Amino acid sequence: SQQGEEDPQALSIQEGENATMNCSYKTSINNLQWYRQNSGRGLVHLILIRSNEREKHSGRLRVTLDTSKKSSSLLITASRAADTASYFCATDLDTGGFKTIFGAGTRLFVKA
Amino acid sequence: DAGVIQSPRHEVTEMGQEVTLRCKPISGHNSLFWYRQTMMRGLELLIYFNNNVPIDDSGMPEDRFSAKMPNASFSTLKIQPSEPRDSAVYFCASSLMGSPDTEAFFGQGTRLTVV
Repeated sequence: SQQGEEDPQALSIQEGENATMNCSYKTSINNLQWYRQNSGRGLVHLILIRSNEREKHSGRLRVTLDTSKKSSSLLITASRAADTASYFCATDLDTGGFKTIFGAGTRLFVKA
Repeated sequence: DAGVIQSPRHEVTEMGQEVTLRCKPISGHNSLFWYRQTMMRGLELLIYFNNNVPIDDSGMPEDRFSAKMPNASFSTLKIQPSEPRDSAVYFCASSLMGSPDTEAFFGQGTRLTVV
């Protein structure tokens, strides 16, 4: 089974609103990453947060990590129509290996 | 660098035929991953290599699937014989393991249709 599980599975908002997506995982991690995928394209790395970090910012993105709850959230502020995509969280397992496991993703639709 | 390059971009083949997908990772990266993406199962890790050596192939669905990495700049994923349920988008990704931030760079994917 996949390591990460995102929710919601789908999210529809108006341009200008904030979008929040959540991710839960099962085992200890080295870091957690968020990726974006536009329809028919490969995944693009957005941001990485290490297991000893609690919050990280990058432009309009804010990521939090709660290792006690094994969860993370991705906040996109002031969303734009161009943010419409699927968003995935990925974890590198803390097993001495470097498997990057992806969740099922959240499909975000931003209406202009 | 041109990024991770996959070929072909699209492949349509008949059931029973052999299919070979190709990947050229980013120069200097030491890890390579093969993923399969479908609507039903999402993005699944099939196999990953570190320094050209297969580390974990537990995600490879069956013996019909095999992957090789003969050198640091080339990898193949082969399906023989192919079946309609193998239809999916196959992604290759590479990264530099051992660096503090192990970001994976993805290719554009190969959309495989087995009829």
